[in-house]
Amino acid sequence: SYVLTQPPSVSVAPGKTARITCGGNNIGSKSVHWYQQKPGQAPVLVIYYDSDRPSGIPERFSGSNSGNTATLTISRVEAGDEADYYCQVWDSSSVRVFGGGTKLTVL
Amino acid sequence: EVQLVESGGGLVQPGGSLRLSCAASGFTFSSYEMNWVRQAPGKGLEWVSYISSSGSTIYYADSVKGRFTISRDNAKNSLYLQMNSLRAEDTAVYYCARAERFGELFTWGQGTLVTVSS
Repeated sequence: SYVLTQPPSVSVAPGKTARITCGGNNIGSKSVHWYQQKPGQAPVLVIYYDSDRPSGIPERFSGSNSGNTATLTISRVEAGDEADYYCQVWDSSSVRVFGGGTKLTVL
Repeated sequence: EVQLVESGGGLVQPGGSLRLSCAASGFTFSSYEMNWVRQAPGKGLEWVSYISSSGSTIYYADSVKGRFTISRDNAKNSLYLQMNSLRAEDTAVYYCARAERFGELFTWGQGTLVTVSS
């Protein structure tokens, strides 16, 4: 089955840029979606189709996808961005796959 | 307002059964593909099952195949998950989620907790 690999944690100072990676075999050929989840809340879609932002998501959130790595970039990080982030793809075997999640800590 | 509301969670013994429901409102339910996603306590998200808008196409994660059954009633704007032969490792918050054009899950319910324990 298809596996998505994320770093367990990323730390960043306020105002800096956070990059969260999602690794998978030839992931560049798939559409990658990213979700933000805060404690006790349902996930929120922050990036879809590799790099598109849903309405209401700040422009500080961006995405890219190429080769074996997709990346979620959060610019000018704020305290409110502290959360767990998950990547997700639709595998060719007709299942949805989530990465293991990355805990973003704002120092 | 687009809304998904899950219900039916609770405490069940190992080997038992439970049926989850997801009530949809604020959109044309019959036009959308739907999914169940779960999250064990302190763990990450795990996709469980998918059903097409008409109900004709269904997929399951290997971890639940043969034990769980997804279904929908478009006339009642409702999604269901019948869970049989439950195991301790099925303990999780179960979310229903609406799929969009590229398979992204934009709309989620608040989740319902299923606890499998003796």
